[in-house]
Amino acid sequence: GENVEQHPSTLSVQEGDSAVIKCTYSDSASNYFPWYKQELGKRPQLIIDIRSNVGEKKDQRIAVTLNKTAKHFSLHITETQPEDSAVYFCAARGNNAGNMLTFGGGTRLMVKP
Amino acid sequence: GAVVSQHPSRVICKSGTSVKIECRSLDFQATTMFWYRQFPKQSLMLMATSNEGSKATYEQGVEKDKFLINHASLTLSTLTVTSAHPEDSSFYICSATVGGGFGANVLTFGAGSRLTVL
Repeated sequence: GENVEQHPSTLSVQEGDSAVIKCTYSDSASNYFPWYKQELGKRPQLIIDIRSNVGEKKDQRIAVTLNKTAKHFSLHITETQPEDSAVYFCAARGNNAGNMLTFGGGTRLMVKP
Repeated sequence: GAVVSQHPSRVICKSGTSVKIECRSLDFQATTMFWYRQFPKQSLMLMATSNEGSKATYEQGVEKDKFLINHASLTLSTLTVTSAHPEDSSFYICSATVGGGFGANVLTFGAGSRLTVL
């Protein structure tokens, strides 16, 4: 089955700096890679996703890149703000008709004002 | 947008009792829902896939007799933790895919249910 690894597990940045979170996946047939933001005690919220037919996607301060050859994808947050502080999860959907996602271990991002 | 409603948000029960958690898709039909479990500071672990009108598919290591899943309609899936014990205390989150077709689904989560077993 699919295996997703995420790094780093914690990340502390100064407000205004950029943050990068990286994930690798194992199933070369995976075709969908979403990123979720989870604030303490709340539900994960989809912030951006990318499909295997594109290499990069951007939405304001957030961007995701995908390297299918190397089987890794990254989340980039620019001009970080304190409200970006949360746990971020990457996920990958392998070649399964059940649309199941496999999640990375999460990254706790702390943005210091 | 699509909303997945989950209740209760918090439940405290005594050891040995059973607890039912409901997950509803409010403005769309969900033939498939997923149940995840999340321990503090850990990732989301898929427990089972709930299929409307058929038996749920459980992940390896998840006891189907302990975590009963019923998906009787296109908008409701329930998870019942039977004979709960303190080690079952966790954050349980349901989710559903929005949109049809293999290539277009986006996963939307419920608000989660925090179970504390005394």
